Amino acid sequence: AQKITQTQPGMFVQEKEAVTLDCTYDTSDPSYGLFWYKQPSSGEMIFLIYQGSYDQQNATEGRYSLNFQKARKSANLVISASQLGDSAMYFCAMREETSGSRLTFGEGTQLTVNP
Amino acid sequence: KAGVTQTPRYLIKTRGQQVTLSCSPISGHRSVSWYQQTPGQGLQFLFEYFSETQRNKGNFPGRFSGRQFSNSRSEMNVSTLELGDSALYLCASSHSSGNSYNSPLHFGNGTRLTVT
Repeated sequence: AQKITQTQPGMFVQEKEAVTLDCTYDTSDPSYGLFWYKQPSSGEMIFLIYQGSYDQQNATEGRYSLNFQKARKSANLVISASQLGDSAMYFCAMREETSGSRLTFGEGTQLTVNP
Repeated sequence: KAGVTQTPRYLIKTRGQQVTLSCSPISGHRSVSWYQQTPGQGLQFLFEYFSETQRNKGNFPGRFSGRQFSNSRSEMNVSTLELGDSALYLCASSHSSGNSYNSPLHFGNGTRLTVT
């Protein structure tokens, strides 16, 4: 079974607007972490934001926020005030306590910011 | 603080050859993981090393191996290369001393391997 599902292969947004990238996950482990990474065309994976399974509040990091709905098993990334430099591939990933260091990634969403 | 450094950035090899990729983690990070990224399979975990010991391993054949040195630098080796080994190989380091699920991995720029 797919552990991380990103249903949007591609998304388009106008510069300065907000955009939500969807991510749902599947785990029976009560302890886990959810991560979002950005991968520009250069290939580097850039860590954006983290949400723990026991965190009561949604994580925020600058223009990035995570809409965490534990009961629905979703962890959507919200990017506010999009910039041209936000155009990249975005990956949702999960790390379960029982799987140690292993990160499981979704298939990614290609975001394009239009001027 | 310098980030994760991977060398070389690009490699072209022929089938049957072997290749070694190198990764220097962020200073102070003792955990190093390797991932393979292909258009068809996405990002897949290869293995993780911590304090020179392989701590976790993905579902890859024995042709894929790695090691970690006392300074936490890591190398990954692929022997008897196949066309399907063409991929972006990403190395990541983590500060975690245990298997902390809340510790993010920090990735390098990757090594793009092409097998012809």
